[in-house]
Amino acid sequence: DVKVTQSSRYLVKRTGEKVFLECVQDMDHENMFWYRQDPGLGLRLIYFSYDVKMKEKGDIPEGYSVSREKKERFSLILESASTNQTSMYLCASSSLKLNEKLFFGSGTQLSVL
Amino acid sequence: QKEVEQDPGPLSVPEGAIVSLNCTYSNSAFQYFMWYRQYSRKGPELLMYTYSSGNKEDGRFTAQVDKSSKYISLFIRDSQPSDSATYLCAMSVTALIFGKGTTLSVSS
Repeated sequence: DVKVTQSSRYLVKRTGEKVFLECVQDMDHENMFWYRQDPGLGLRLIYFSYDVKMKEKGDIPEGYSVSREKKERFSLILESASTNQTSMYLCASSSLKLNEKLFFGSGTQLSVL
Repeated sequence: QKEVEQDPGPLSVPEGAIVSLNCTYSNSAFQYFMWYRQYSRKGPELLMYTYSSGNKEDGRFTAQVDKSSKYISLFIRDSQPSDSATYLCAMSVTALIFGKGTTLSVSS
């Protein structure tokens, strides 16, 4: 069964902290994505990656960075967390051939106080 | 005009009802159309996938695409309490664009 695993279900951090959100997929997918989901705003793409060490900005990259050192792992970094980054963060992956079919993790609910 | 429009609901129906969920879009270049289902506190999961126009059926679920009207629908027959979730439409040419989701509640 396909699996996208996010390291934490719930996180509470303080303003100004550096935050790492980790995502691992076991499907050998080339593409990996980070979204945030907020009530009334839906899913918004932060960053995506089509290959190891490769990254592309999505719709809302400000305040975030990413790292993809290995094919199966895609990390989202909040350099200095702010309260407006309180959100549900969702990682997803897809294969190169079927990049419309995303497989999502269960999400990380991040609260920044 | 937003690229993908979806009524957020909430939509409440009794068990056994036929449910119709809809999205409209503005970009005529969209070719791939999907419906994702998201249970509370979970990530979305792919429910239906269609390419171009037409219908696709999978059990109690039917996805319909009308490219001439730029309109897609998801029909759920004999709805069950386990269908209670948020349903997200999505479409793409290259990058995937999501609707904001419709929250459905099916009461027993």
